Amino acid sequence: SQTIHQWPATLVQPVGSPLSLECTVEGTSNPNLYWYRQAAGRGLQLLFYSVGIGQISSEVPQNLSASRPQDRQFILSSKKLLLSDSGFYLCAWSGSQRTTYNEQFFGPGTRLTVL
Amino acid sequence: SQQGEEDPQALSIQEGENATMNCSYKTSINNLQWYRQNSGRGLVHLILIRSNEREKHSGRLRVTLDTSKKSSSLLITASRAADTASYFCATALINTGGFKTIFGAGTRLFVKA
Repeated sequence: SQTIHQWPATLVQPVGSPLSLECTVEGTSNPNLYWYRQAAGRGLQLLFYSVGIGQISSEVPQNLSASRPQDRQFILSSKKLLLSDSGFYLCAWSGSQRTTYNEQFFGPGTRLTVL
Repeated sequence: SQQGEEDPQALSIQEGENATMNCSYKTSINNLQWYRQNSGRGLVHLILIRSNEREKHSGRLRVTLDTSKKSSSLLITASRAADTASYFCATALINTGGFKTIFGAGTRLFVKA
């Protein structure tokens, strides 16, 4: 069966520090991968999605970046965190076929607090 | 602005009652999905309804879709305390081939035991 992992679960970082959040998927190959951010009590904002290794689409211009160095690994990074980067970050995967890519499976999330 | 907007923002009911949540969207869609999120957790996919479908059932869940009104509803029958969670609708947009799924702000449901 497929599983998705995210770490760390929680993170407190000072303003201006770098960030690296990692997401890995097991039990499937060539998944579509997604990074979302959720502000407290709000919906999800799509940040990045990837349909293959090295292929990243950015949805929102900001100081965050994403990379996909391996088929089932998706990394969210920042060189310098802002206060506004605080939130709940969710990684998700979906199948890559037209019949499967709309059902997304989410990881447990990382709660980031920037102080 | 968000593609999907849920209504109401919050809903409090007694166990055993039915809960109805609505979602409206703005542009043409491939399909619409409903997800559930327990506090502080990831989202769980509940049900997907395609643009050519009008109604779909899954256990105690019933979803309707009215593409002429660009709206959908999620009905949870005979609610339980364990149904307490936030519920989100998500739309897959036609012009992006379905890769881009837009989530609404969610309805927070509280079921009192």
